[in-house]
Amino acid sequence: SAVISQKPSRDICQRGTSLTIQCQVDSQVTMMFWYRQQPGQSLTLIATANQGSEATYESGFVIDKFPISRPNLTFSTLTVSNMSPEDSSIYLCSLTTMRYTEAFFGQGTRLTVV
Amino acid sequence: GQQLNQSPQSMFIQEGEDVSMNCTSSSIFNTWLWYKQDPGEGPVLLIALYKAGELTSNGRLTAQFGITRKDSFLNISASIPSDVGIYFCAGESSLYGQNFVFGPGTRLSVLP
Repeated sequence: SAVISQKPSRDICQRGTSLTIQCQVDSQVTMMFWYRQQPGQSLTLIATANQGSEATYESGFVIDKFPISRPNLTFSTLTVSNMSPEDSSIYLCSLTTMRYTEAFFGQGTRLTVV
Repeated sequence: GQQLNQSPQSMFIQEGEDVSMNCTSSSIFNTWLWYKQDPGEGPVLLIALYKAGELTSNGRLTAQFGITRKDSFLNISASIPSDVGIYFCAGESSLYGQNFVFGPGTRLSVLP
């Protein structure tokens, strides 16, 4: 499996500010994703990070709130914009194998908005 | 809405006991994955299943892909304290696009 490095691992932010989370993988992968895990909940897909083009967002998530960049096959960022306490969650970077046979996760970023 | 259901939602067992949990759906899935998540960490893949009826083991863990392709179960034998965590199932289906959907999780506590 690929090594996925995510940072920061945690942060406490003021409401109204923005935080950018970085995800670095140690090999070139095609499919990268960003998930949100609200406290005590399961994982919800935010978007698919597409290399060199705009991300594909799931229902309920929009680019203005969660802009995503993916400049190459090993790196992606997720920004949580204009944060409110409701954005307090764990944000996880993920990649899948080419044939969608397995999915792997970074260690997550625990975000607390105060 | 939630596409996958997991049961039980939580369980408390004694160290050394066997554990069984399952994941069900009203839809057919092509792949089932089982994950364990420890506090403050991302989910770690335990077992992957690709064919109906497939039975796969990983140490003390055994998982099966249901014959109907709508369910899967995970068994843990001779539980130990480090088995504590949240266990998620995930499925891949063309119905939900080319990504995985996750169940709500089963929270396992092991009492010494």
